[in-house]
Order: sequence, then C-alpha cells, then structure tokens
Amino acid sequence: ETGVTQTPRHLVMGMTNKKSLKCEQHLGHNAMYWYKQSAKKPLELMFVYNFKEQTENNSVPSRFSPECPNSSHLFLHLHTLQPEDSALYLCASSQDLKESYGYTFGSGTRLTVV
Amino acid sequence: GESVGLHLPTLSVQEGDNSIINCAYSNSASDYFIWYKQESGKGPQFIIDIRSNMDKRQGQRVTVLLNKTVKHLSLQIAATQPGDSAVYFCAEKEVNFGNEKLTFGTGTRLTIIP
Repeated sequence: ETGVTQTPRHLVMGMTNKKSLKCEQHLGHNAMYWYKQSAKKPLELMFVYNFKEQTENNSVPSRFSPECPNSSHLFLHLHTLQPEDSALYLCASSQDLKESYGYTFGSGTRLTVV
Repeated sequence: GESVGLHLPTLSVQEGDNSIINCAYSNSASDYFIWYKQESGKGPQFIIDIRSNMDKRQGQRVTVLLNKTVKHLSLQIAATQPGDSAVYFCAEKEVNFGNEKLTFGTGTRLTIIP
C-alpha cells in the first residue's frame, strides 16, 4: 500500500449509469490529482485540487465531476460516460503544488464503460 | 505543446543483465525529472529523481543519467531481476504560474526473461 487508497478497484458501468470513484490519503498531503491512463498514451492530468480548492481542470468533459470535501478525500463522479472513457483512473497526492517530487499514486480504478 | 517521450515502447532483457531505458524531453527549461515504475495492477511508484544541476544520480541498482545538451534522460537498472518487469515512465516538472505539475511520457514496458 502506498498510502493512497482508491475504490473500487474495478468498475463496469453502462452509459446511462451514475457512479463515483473514491480516493483517500492519510499522508498529510494537501494536493490531490486525478489522472486518466489509457493504453499507449501518456498519463493525462484531469483535475488538481490544492487545500480542497480546484486549481486545474484540464479541459475534461462535464460528464466527469470531481469533488474534494477535505484534503484527505477526492471523488470523481461519473455520469453518461462513453465507451472511450474506459481506462485506468489514477489518483495521486503530494504535499502541495510546490512539491512535485512527492507524488504518491494509488493503484487506480479500472473502469469499463459498456 | 512540448512533450516527454520514450524511444522504445518495449524492451526485453535477460535476467541478470543490465537494462537501459531512454527518454527524450523537449522542454529545455525543465529542471527536475523523475522515473516511475508501474507494475501490473498497481499505480506508478517513484524510483529515482534527478535535478538539472546534476548529470548522474545513483540509487540501489538504478542509475539515472541526464544529458541536457541533447535533452535525454536514461534509467539504468543493474543485474535485472524478474521483479523489475514493469512499465517505466519518465516525467518532467512543469511550472505554471508558480505551481508545479508533472508531465509524463508514454512508458516503456520492460520484460525480464528468466
């Protein structure tokens, strides 16, 4: 375990479903990130939160909705997804936005949209 | 935009041999680089980092070399073991409006042949 826990590990959902991904860290970090990892592509940064405030939305479609209720928890709410959204969704945390070398990743949620 | 990329998508190495994974970057202003290892079913894990004021850094069985002249980064793994089989990513630090974030390459899959 890295200290960043993601649930569920696997998720299969239909295009009309609504589901949420959860990320939790107790490392005392203040910045949290959502990344999308697709086959043969670099990790794509989706959202960045720093001290619970969203600092970056990397042109992500509105069918992905992040929520950060506190510095330890990060959610990604999903609705009306498309098959091309199938990917591994990784959560990461770092001390804050000035400390890039401290990224800690979770194991990811493998999402399949059918 | 500028990007971080890898020369080879796959690499197979005999167990016990040394392996070298390469990475090219294009942002000459980047001053910090990281290598991550991602095993099957897990998120990326930090291996080793290097700042641009260095050209070599050694860890346990791993060495990172930085050639700023040709904007090239490499990861050397000595005496490879089956547990070294994974995808390896390089990442570079970007700074936007004082905030830092990492940009990742596509990754190289390293397979250790017993």
